[in-house]
Amino acid sequence: GAGVSQSPSNKVTEKGKDVELRCDPISGHTALYWYRQSLGQGLEFLIYFQGNSAPDKSGLPSDRFSAERTGGSVSTLTIQRTQQEDSAVYLCAGGVGLNSPLHFGNGTRLTVT
Amino acid sequence: AQKVTQAQTEISVVEKEDVTLDCVYETRDTTYYLFWYKQPPSGELVFLIRRNSFDEQNEISGRYSWNFQKSTSSFNFTITASQVVDSAVYFCALSYGNNRLAFGKGNQVVVIP
Repeated sequence: GAGVSQSPSNKVTEKGKDVELRCDPISGHTALYWYRQSLGQGLEFLIYFQGNSAPDKSGLPSDRFSAERTGGSVSTLTIQRTQQEDSAVYLCAGGVGLNSPLHFGNGTRLTVT
Repeated sequence: AQKVTQAQTEISVVEKEDVTLDCVYETRDTTYYLFWYKQPPSGELVFLIRRNSFDEQNEISGRYSWNFQKSTSSFNFTITASQVVDSAVYFCALSYGNNRLAFGKGNQVVVIP
């Protein structure tokens, strides 16, 4: 596709369940980022991929959060044993080089009940 | 530590008026990039402008213009002759590290027809 695709667009899950969020970036975007957007915290960096490697995972809030990227393309963000404070919009973005403008997806709105 | 402050939370203007968004940043880096992104109701962040710390020349691009002043650590953004389609949240961001972005809290711009 022409843009960054994220799925699902909305996810409602019960506390304690695991969720997987998917990001399909623009072809050729070697850098991939996950950000989280919530009312209280604004936009927070979670993790950065260069190719399939994640040189910067420092933004992941706890060990319940993990992410992987395969084929230098699709990435999944997994949240285990979800908590209510995990409710937020999870945004994926891709870019082609250092300090290049990022192309964001529409996000996945996660609600933990 | 990097920090971006957007003091105004919501700004309402009547269509065709100009609107200026203030952004103040903090960084110890000598080389950095500053960005403005727009987030319409659809959710995806859209890149608008980028400026590096070495270039303080202010520019105009269509109805957008920006005023970068390193001496006051400010990177203000102006929309001239606002239109209803400009209604969105606007984020100022500062890059650091692996192209990580530190975002401000955003300015909600409401253009009244």
